[in-house]
Amino acid sequence: EDQVTQSPEALRLQEGESSSLNCSYTVSGLRGLFWYRQDPGKGPEFLFTLYSAGEEKEKERLKATLTKKESFLHITAPKPEDSATYLCAVQAGGSYIPTFGRGTSLIVHP
Amino acid sequence: SQTIHQWPATLVQPVGSPLSLECTVEGTSNPNLYWYRQAAGRGLQLLFYSVGIGQISSEVPQNLSASRPQDRQFILSSKKLLLSDSGFYLCAYRVMNTEAFFGQGTRLTVV
Repeated sequence: EDQVTQSPEALRLQEGESSSLNCSYTVSGLRGLFWYRQDPGKGPEFLFTLYSAGEEKEKERLKATLTKKESFLHITAPKPEDSATYLCAVQAGGSYIPTFGRGTSLIVHP
Repeated sequence: SQTIHQWPATLVQPVGSPLSLECTVEGTSNPNLYWYRQAAGRGLQLLFYSVGIGQISSEVPQNLSASRPQDRQFILSSKKLLLSDSGFYLCAYRVMNTEAFFGQGTRLTVV
């Protein structure tokens, strides 16, 4: 059974304090790992797809990396507007259903 | 460009009343379509998915049903709502099993 575990569940940072969110996964034949941002009362917004170990992608203050067992979402010098819940999901080969983690709730204080 | 529309944004319904939530996708053909429910502080629970017109797979036995009358239309229904049906409902689509794109969600409150 595919599993995704995100940690920590919640993270509070001061503005400018860099940190990382973790997504550990077990999947039969990884076809893709996805990161999303979700604001309260909104649908998740797609951020990145990573396909293979060693791959990295960046967008503004966010950088996602992938190994064979986990992915990290690095947040550099975060701003209050980066406050949101960040979701990770994996896609196994031969499945129509992505497996989502429960998310990390990030709050960035000014 | 591809877009997804989900409505209504909020809904308050009495117990025992029917439900119909609609989701449409534009700009692509034959997407995989999904209905999720998200409880406060918890992850996404997959309710139904569809890989084609009239093809519906249910992941959780419950008071809800889904239909896909057209290629890019996905409907979530209930004949009689329960209090436990309250939650945040999300529709999503995927093309070729790549990343999913979500609608803005429907906040359903059953009273």
